[in-house]
Amino acid sequence: AQTVTQSQPEMSVQEAETVTLSCTYDTSESDYYLFWYKQPPSRQMILVIRQEAYKQQNATENRFSVNFQKAAKSFSLKISDSQLGDAAMYFCAYRTTGTASKLTFGTGTRLQVTL
Amino acid sequence: DTGVSQNPRHKITKRGQNVTFRCDPISEHNRLYWYRQTLGQGPEFLTYFQNEAQLEKSRLLSDRFSAERPKGSFSTLEIQRTEQGDSAMYLCASSLVSGRVSEAFFGQGTRLTVV
Repeated sequence: AQTVTQSQPEMSVQEAETVTLSCTYDTSESDYYLFWYKQPPSRQMILVIRQEAYKQQNATENRFSVNFQKAAKSFSLKISDSQLGDAAMYFCAYRTTGTASKLTFGTGTRLQVTL
Repeated sequence: DTGVSQNPRHKITKRGQNVTFRCDPISEHNRLYWYRQTLGQGPEFLTYFQNEAQLEKSRLLSDRFSAERPKGSFSTLEIQRTEQGDSAMYLCASSLVSGRVSEAFFGQGTRLTVV
């Protein structure tokens, strides 16, 4: 079974600084997808960024980028120029390419952004 | 708002009572998922539908849980004879499966408290 591990329960970053959230996963598959989701307090989870395992290039979305290390099964999220609105729970998630498309989530990292 | 809608947002019930939650997905989405999120954990997959067919159920979904998606539109999740361990956030997500990658859009969830 696939597992996703987020070893940082909480992280803090100052506004305008850069922070990196860690995620490791375990799978025997060679083709899969990885995601970072953001869950603000009392609001729905939204997709931040996704990575397809067969793509070598790290995904980027504006201030968000990932460091995908397939051999190490590592998928970290870097948030640059942090903003107060980035404060939320961040979940790393894994999905196979199979028909089910269900997500396996990590336990999350709570990100605080300070002035 | 054309996002995923879940009702009610909060439900407090006495142990042993039955409860039913509703999820209205994004209208053209053919996939609908239910997840459960307990405090301090990431969402865990419960079940999913492709149109009206329920294609997979997690072993987390005990016999007291039943989900339906009549006519492939909205879905209901019923919990019979609720137990305190059922207290959690129940999340619904929908996606349009077309091609390799399909983004899942989440609702705000229904928070269940069993007293």
